[in-house]
Amino acid sequence: SQQGEEDPQALSIQEGENATMNCSYKTSINNLQWYRQNSGRGLVHLILIRSNEREKHSGRLRVTLDTSKKSSSLLITASRAADTASYFCATDGRGGSNYKLTFGKGTLLTVNP
Amino acid sequence: GAGVSQSPSNKVTEKGKDVELRCDPISGHTALYWYRQRLGQGLEFLIYFQGNSAPDKSGLPSDRFSAERTGESVSTLTIQRTQQEDSAVYLCASSLRLANGYEQYFGPGTRLTVT
Repeated sequence: SQQGEEDPQALSIQEGENATMNCSYKTSINNLQWYRQNSGRGLVHLILIRSNEREKHSGRLRVTLDTSKKSSSLLITASRAADTASYFCATDGRGGSNYKLTFGKGTLLTVNP
Repeated sequence: GAGVSQSPSNKVTEKGKDVELRCDPISGHTALYWYRQRLGQGLEFLIYFQGNSAPDKSGLPSDRFSAERTGESVSTLTIQRTQQEDSAVYLCASSLRLANGYEQYFGPGTRLTVT
């Protein structure tokens, strides 16, 4: 399976609820990033967490990283209909190819008003 | 300032024709990337340019695919003799080349449909 696999593949919640998405990866990383994509077009960077960090916050977003389990989670609190999008995690590789991001297939989040 | 732009936004072509996709990165971004995204899938890395260094072409799926970049500006992805399996959204991104960790800024993509 791919580096950077998200689960669930799809998540449907009501506005105001929290949404949690998970990402697993296979090889050692320098950084892990989360991106958001609306309507199958350009991605927007949400947050970057380094391999020596365990948790990071940005507004309503909370990202955790567990390098021992090779997993990360993205929590969106107090979700809004506008949060409806696909969310991808992306990992880079250690060493000379750390510019090359590997994306998972994404989690499609639907927030119902 | 302006973000990453791509053109055309949509392209429909007949099987066997060549297509050229363009990407204008953010000014000052030394790194440029091309990705392909098939329907319902994640992004596949195609090629990476960094300044005047030799590009990393390891993700190009076949010799029908090629890309060029002039200095730290515009890049063109060319697909020759297009096939139906080439239908996808082609995304370009640029970034600063930082020592450790960087975010990529994506363009809106070109949706390619090969009939």
